[in-house]
Amino acid sequence: KQEVTQIPAALSVPEGENLVLNCSFTDSAIYNLQWFRQDPGKGLTSLLLIQSSQREQTSGRLNASLDKSSGRSTLYIAASQPGDSATYLCAVRRRDDKIIFGKGTRLHILP
Amino acid sequence: GAVVSQHPSRVICKSGTSVKIECRSLDFQATTMFWYRQFPKQSLMLMATSNEGSKATYEQGVEKDKFLINHASLTLSTLTVTSAHPEDSSFYICSARVNDTYEQYFGPGTRLTVT
Repeated sequence: KQEVTQIPAALSVPEGENLVLNCSFTDSAIYNLQWFRQDPGKGLTSLLLIQSSQREQTSGRLNASLDKSSGRSTLYIAASQPGDSATYLCAVRRRDDKIIFGKGTRLHILP
Repeated sequence: GAVVSQHPSRVICKSGTSVKIECRSLDFQATTMFWYRQFPKQSLMLMATSNEGSKATYEQGVEKDKFLINHASLTLSTLTVTSAHPEDSSFYICSARVNDTYEQYFGPGTRLTVT
């Protein structure tokens, strides 16, 4: 059974700092891993998707890495801004196409 | 990019009534769609896999008679919450898998409140 864990559950950092969110998963037989952003009461915004054969993906100030063998992924956010405040969800897509989500990290960027 | 819509975005219903939520793939065909539920401050939990032309498969602990899924066409899946109770109040999100590429895209979600 695939389990996805995200650490920390919540994080507050001053504006401008770089930060790392962590995600771990128990079964390395994955199709891909995806990071989402969710604002309160809203749906999901896809940030980065890493295929199982890839090691990292970058988009603007965001960089996501994947180490499938160790069951870990990190989302690096550079030069954080108040607008980055949201819940960040890590999700693993299994080979049967089912997507398993972590519980998320609630990020608060302090102005 | 591929777009998935959900209707309604918000719905309030009385306890004991049934509510239907639609999930549509707007610019692609999707034989397979997935339904998720998210309780406040919790993560998304997969409820069921919807397959066009066949019965849905439900995850353990999800009552198939309470959450009726119909996938009658390649662009539409519906989730009907029957005899809704306040504990069914939640955020329901669907995703659709593109037939050609197997990519998955999520809908914007439907917030259900049962009074």
